[in-house]
Amino acid sequence: DGGITQSPKYLFRKEGQNVTLSCEQNLNHDAMYWYRQDPGQGLRLIYYSQIVNDFQKGDIAEGYSVSREKKESFPLTVTSAQKNPTAFYLCASSIGSGTKNIQYFGAGTRLSVL
Amino acid sequence: SQKIEQNSEALNIQEGKTATLTCNYTNYSPAYLQWYRQDPGRGPVFLLLIRENEKEKRKERLKVTFDTTLKQSLFHITASQPADSATYLCALYNAGNNRKLIWGLGTSLAVNP
Repeated sequence: DGGITQSPKYLFRKEGQNVTLSCEQNLNHDAMYWYRQDPGQGLRLIYYSQIVNDFQKGDIAEGYSVSREKKESFPLTVTSAQKNPTAFYLCASSIGSGTKNIQYFGAGTRLSVL
Repeated sequence: SQKIEQNSEALNIQEGKTATLTCNYTNYSPAYLQWYRQDPGRGPVFLLLIRENEKEKRKERLKVTFDTTLKQSLFHITASQPADSATYLCALYNAGNNRKLIWGLGTSLAVNP
């Protein structure tokens, strides 16, 4: 089945620790995105990548980092600099952000702080 | 700044009735407007897309209208069912906006049996 796989489903971070959220897609999509969703705040864009080996900051990139070494993979690292990391993190992909940009989402990772 | 507004209050309707959700926007000229469904603890799922030069789009029990003069889209679910209960998000896209989607906060719909 084609789709986007996020792992883990639940993740706990200790203070001062970096954690990495995985996102893999087998849709052959060029563009990939990371969003953060908090209650009452909707989807906020953290980082996005339109092509392999290239990515841009979104609206709330501080405290996060990404890489795009392979077309299928777009991992997100939540660094210790992110002081309020507790949230629901969603990864998405689209055929190309130059088209209609219909986005396909994974099931999400819920990150909590211990 | 660009802004999207959706009904902040949850919408409760009886099964079989038509649900109507609203998406208003300001300071933006979208080329496309999209509607997604999100269930609790899950990622959004794409439902329908409408272009700026289209007034209406239908898919089974779903209908979307787009009025660029009023800067408003209406999303209708006819013959609603309890399984339609979810949060519905609208999103705007214009290739000039760094190719990003602009998202509304969503409206929660509850269909009561």
